[in-house]
Amino acid sequence: EVQLVESGGGLVQPGGSLKLSCVASGFTFNSYSLNWVRQAPGKGLEWVSYISSGSSSIFYADSVKGRFTISRDNAKNSLYLQMDSLRDDDTALYYCATVRSGAFTGWGQGTLVTVSS
Amino acid sequence: EIVLTQSPGTLSLSPGERATLSCRASENISNNYLAWYQQKPGQAPRLLIYGASSRATGIPDRFSGSGSGTDFTLTISRLEPEDFAVYYCQRYGTSPLITFGQGTRLEIK
Repeated sequence: EVQLVESGGGLVQPGGSLKLSCVASGFTFNSYSLNWVRQAPGKGLEWVSYISSGSSSIFYADSVKGRFTISRDNAKNSLYLQMDSLRDDDTALYYCATVRSGAFTGWGQGTLVTVSS
Repeated sequence: EIVLTQSPGTLSLSPGERATLSCRASENISNNYLAWYQQKPGQAPRLLIYGASSRATGIPDRFSGSGSGTDFTLTISRLEPEDFAVYYCQRYGTSPLITFGQGTRLEIK
């Protein structure tokens, strides 16, 4: 069974940084592309970033480009999101999600990031 | 960037009724790279449909997807109490510009 567990969220001031982690189990981690998706309180889903299985392809939404960095460690079955220069509108629940046939087949339960002074 | 517009915003129906949810794209979606997700309160989204019409593993056959090009539909043939949730469509593919629709809330009438 696919299991994804996010961590690292919390309260941070505007302009600050956080690093999110997602630890995976139940599947061959190094064979799957992964994404970060976020959801602001009471709002819809917003794709944030994508990384291919071997980290050769990386993409970001325009809203986070230049501020967020996605990475993975296949030896540790882990996905990361380094978030710098955080803004109020980055406040959201951040999910990691696996990709299969393009669609997002597995999701974690999310970690909450709150940007506020 | 392809914009996905879902309608209606809210759909009020009773258990046993048929639900029809729409997702319209601002440009043609190639290869029918269109997915549908269900999200219940306090839960992560769950993949229902990919490739516009293929059911994901474990999804009941009362859920079906159809459409191509710019117009897509999710149909729930006979609503069960557990189907009342928010539904999102998503465009995916080789492009990095993955987008979601704004969602349709399916509520009990």
